This record gives sequence, structure tokens and C-alpha cells, in this order.
Amino acid sequence: GAGVSQSPSNKVTEKGKDVELRCDPISGHTALYWYRQSLGQGLEFLIYFQGNSAPDKSGLPSDRFSAERTGGSVSTLTIQRTQQEDSAVYLCASSSLPLAGGPKEQFFGPGTRLTVL
Amino acid sequence: AQSVTQPDIHITVSEGASLELRCNYSYGATPYLFWYVQSPGQGLQLLLKYFSGDTLVQGIKGFEAEFKRSQSSFNLRKPSVHWSDAAEYFCAVGAKYPTDSWGKLQFGAGTQVVVTP
Repeated sequence: GAGVSQSPSNKVTEKGKDVELRCDPISGHTALYWYRQSLGQGLEFLIYFQGNSAPDKSGLPSDRFSAERTGGSVSTLTIQRTQQEDSAVYLCASSSLPLAGGPKEQFFGPGTRLTVL
Repeated sequence: AQSVTQPDIHITVSEGASLELRCNYSYGATPYLFWYVQSPGQGLQLLLKYFSGDTLVQGIKGFEAEFKRSQSSFNLRKPSVHWSDAAEYFCAVGAKYPTDSWGKLQFGAGTQVVVTP
């Protein structure tokens, strides 16, 4: 049915607080991806999930960032002890697995705009 | 490591004129290549993708791109732009499934396209 949804759409927090960002992928999509878009850094890959496992966590900027996915569906990106440099739009995408025939389109959600004061 | 360069940060084009956006990639093997578009306040939308076969690929909204291995390029073209094509365009490279980093898209910095009457 619906596309990728993310919540909240906007989040303002104070430096040092923890935040949780949620992503609901398209139903049936096995793969889920997190990216960050900021003025200074452009679009950065953070992490992706194949089912509930994350083969590549190399994009997480620091150990303050973590992500999990349960039930092969919803994913949560958690940022602990937020810093001002964490301010960005966090984008989630989902796709089916590219088992054969080349890559599958990553469908992007609208993003969560995070502002750390 | 894979990387993408979009040499033009900003392009202004007249409505009805042709458009070409440049993309150069660095990748050790045959890459998966993508062009995405992001309109103001909108999410990322896939225009087209390349992974093998015919080096000229057709996409949505009248866009096409040509893969040139010898030049490590994947330039996007449109013969006649419309005012609605004003947006930011991102080139991306991805790894082949099922390598460990297959889910990671490396994006270029983006090219902002302005369409004048």
C-alpha cells in the first residue's frame, strides 16, 4: 500500500538528549536503509538491514548512533547524547532484495528533520 | 572504495533547452549506477539505473543516461527541459549483490538545476 513512512517528521531536541527516529518500510520489503542529509556532508549512508541483520554498519558516525530492526519491518535509529553536528535530515529507504537481475530501487521516505539546540 | 563526483554544483538552463548533468565514479568492479531527483520538499525519486547491458538507459520524465566505462562516467541528459525539472539531482554508485556492502549507495554531492523561462 503506502510508501515508506518516517516519524516524527520534525524533532527538536537539546544537546545531550537521546532521540529515536522511526521508519516503517513498504510492506514486503526485506531491505531497509538509513541515510543522513546535511548541508555540509550531502547524502551519507549510515546503515542498511537485510531482514533484521545489518551487514554493513560502516556509515554510523560514532558509537552514539545505533539502529535496530525487529520483525523484518520497522526500524529505529537511536542517537544518544545528541550533538549539534547531528542536526540533519535522516532518510529511510526500503527495497526488495536484489537477488538477481541487478539492483532494486530504493524507495525513500520523506525524512525526519532533526535539530539539536 | 567507491566514490562519486558531480562536478557541477549548480546549473541554470532555459526552459526548452537541453540539459546534461555530469557524473564520474570510482569503483573497482562493474558498478551499479543510479540517478535520483529531489524536488523541494519532496523525497528522493529514482530516475534511472544501470547495471549491465545497453550503455544508454532510459528513465522516467524523459531522462536518459549513458554509461561510459572508459571515462568512468554516467551522465544524465534531457533533450528539452520543463520548468518542473527544477530540482536537485544526485548520482549514486552501489556495489553488486551479494557483496557485504551491496546495500550502501554512495551519493555525489548533487547538482542543483534551475530552469528559467
